[in-house]
Amino acid sequence: AIQMTQSPSSLSASVGDRVTIPCRASQGIRNGLGWYQQKPGKAPKLLIYAASILQGGVPSRFSGSGSGTDFTLTISSLQPEDFATYYCLQDYTYPPTFGGGTKVEIK
Amino acid sequence: QVQLVQSGAEVKKPGASVKVSCKASGYTFSNYDINWVRQATGQGLEWMGWMNPNSGNTGYAQKFQGRVTMTRNTSISTAYMELSSLRSEDTAVYYCARRTLDCSTGTCYKYFDYWGQGTLVTVSS
Repeated sequence: AIQMTQSPSSLSASVGDRVTIPCRASQGIRNGLGWYQQKPGKAPKLLIYAASILQGGVPSRFSGSGSGTDFTLTISSLQPEDFATYYCLQDYTYPPTFGGGTKVEIK
Repeated sequence: QVQLVQSGAEVKKPGASVKVSCKASGYTFSNYDINWVRQATGQGLEWMGWMNPNSGNTGYAQKFQGRVTMTRNTSISTAYMELSSLRSEDTAVYYCARRTLDCSTGTCYKYFDYWGQGTLVTVSS
């Protein structure tokens, strides 16, 4: 199975900061990657699919980039409601595999 | 609106089985795969498997082969995930998620766009 690596596992940032969250695949997955946001006690929420397509209703401060093995989720100006854990998920090759998550904490 | 509503929390003893339900509404149940994902407390997300509600076809993560069974009842738009031979390490929140396969632009994309609220399964003697 393809391994998805998210490092760091946590980061601290302030409201208004530009935040980038990386995700690396152990093999090339073209653009078969999604990003999910999860808040404590809640189900994950789809933010981006196909590496860069914003899911409907998701604020435009979220963007995704990358292809092949290296991907990035960017939050252009961090808002208070964005403090959460972010997971990448590759669904290009079976079985789907999640990264370990990056928790965005308040600095 | 699309909703996936899961059954309530369960407490089971080691060696027992648990069956979690996921009732879909707001869309045609047969048209989208249902996947199951679990999350142990303080841990990340772990994909368990998928089921096609139309055909009943399934696919399971190797880790759960032989212990998990995914089924459905199309008459009530409900998917089920049964996990047997429970052990303490199975204590987790279990989520169902709808998987969309979108080929509308000529290129196909896959993503989990709707999730259930989660079901806590606690395995304890």
